[in-house]
Amino acid sequence: EIVLTQSPGTLSLSPGERATLSCRASQTVGSNYLAWYQHKPGQAPRLLMYGASRRATGIPDRFSGSGSGTDFTLTITRLEPEDFAVYYCHQYDKSLQTFGGGTKVEI
Amino acid sequence: EVQLVESGGDFIQPGESLRLSCAASGFTFSDFAMSWVRQAPGKGLEWVSAISGSGMSPYYADSVKGRFTISRDNDNNTVFLQLNSLRVDDTAVYYCAKEGGAGGWYLGQWGQGTRVTVSS
Repeated sequence: EIVLTQSPGTLSLSPGERATLSCRASQTVGSNYLAWYQHKPGQAPRLLMYGASRRATGIPDRFSGSGSGTDFTLTITRLEPEDFAVYYCHQYDKSLQTFGGGTKVEI
Repeated sequence: EVQLVESGGDFIQPGESLRLSCAASGFTFSDFAMSWVRQAPGKGLEWVSAISGSGMSPYYADSVKGRFTISRDNDNNTVFLQLNSLRVDDTAVYYCAKEGGAGGWYLGQWGQGTRVTVSS
């Protein structure tokens, strides 16, 4: 099983600042099958990125993903008020998928 | 528009069984893998199970293998999760999600979830 470790656990920032979220895998994520989701309380999670760096439909370009192998990053340039949420990375090898523990981006 | 509506969540005692359903619409159901993901109170997301579009290939997290069974009815656009031998630590909101469709089984769309509470 691939263990995903997200850091930091909590990121305290202000609107307009840049957020950099890390996701480290315990072994290589094949085919860069790494996705990022945004989750707000009481709502369904929302896909942001897949294939490590491909933005999902309708996602603003202030969100970007990078990385390969075992180290991945989600960057949010110029935080908007609606971006304050919990973010999860997810490796999706179909036979045994796993999520990271999440990073909370708070004001 | 893709819609996923979960149902079947309940308050249940340890050792009992429950079947969750997820009704899908807005896409060709049999073309896409479907997954279940859960979130226990105060915890993060946990992948539970996935099934291929044909239904021939199910996959499970180690934490539920042997107790949970995923299946789908492609004639009625519904995916199911049978939960047996439930434990207190199975308490969670259970989400169903649709494969994104562009390579790999990332989760492109999600339902709103159904709550399962296991307690004596």
